[in-house]
Amino acid sequence: DARVTQTPRDKVTEMGQEVTMRCQPILGHNTVFWYRQTMMQGLELLAYFRNRAPLDDSGMPKDRFSAEMPDATLATLKIQPSEPRDSAVYFCASAWDSNEQFFGPGTRLTVL
Amino acid sequence: GQQLNQSPQSMFIQEGEDVSMNCTSSSIFNTWLWYKQDPGEGPVLLIALYKAGELTSNGRLTAQFGITRKDSFLNISASIPSDVGIYFCAGLGDNFNKFYFGSGTKLNVKP
Repeated sequence: DARVTQTPRDKVTEMGQEVTMRCQPILGHNTVFWYRQTMMQGLELLAYFRNRAPLDDSGMPKDRFSAEMPDATLATLKIQPSEPRDSAVYFCASAWDSNEQFFGPGTRLTVL
Repeated sequence: GQQLNQSPQSMFIQEGEDVSMNCTSSSIFNTWLWYKQDPGEGPVLLIALYKAGELTSNGRLTAQFGITRKDSFLNISASIPSDVGIYFCAGLGDNFNKFYFGSGTKLNVKP
């Protein structure tokens, strides 16, 4: 049963703390996307990787956000320091090249 | 960047009715995808379209890739309560690298 997995599913933290979200893409997919979803902004693309190399991270606040792919089976999104305005649901999606994207269940982040 | 306009923003319909929603763009797209998102879950792919004029069905769902390549439509026939959710369109831009998402259509079905 191939699917994208994300951990944690829920995270509540205090302002200023570091947050790390993890994603395991579907085995064999070479492209990984990070999205943020809020009521106000909808789905926003933060960054994406192909073959573990970052292709576009223009949607990501560079001062506090960082995204990496330590290996082909793991993508991470880190926020340091976190702020209340970062509260949102963060989705990871994977694909083979520019084909259909498959989404994970998301990480619901609440920053107090 | 390329922009997608999705409409309507929300719909309230009676069970059994047909539903239609669409996405339009000022730019050409090369692939159109339609997703459904249930509360607390990630978007799930419903239909993928690859060629202008293509009409594809998935059960009670039918989607079309507009001839101009600037729009796409999703129709749901004989709606049922489990159709409730948010439907998103996504278009693959001319750089063939990333998809642009519409703002979603929230569907409510009254039994």
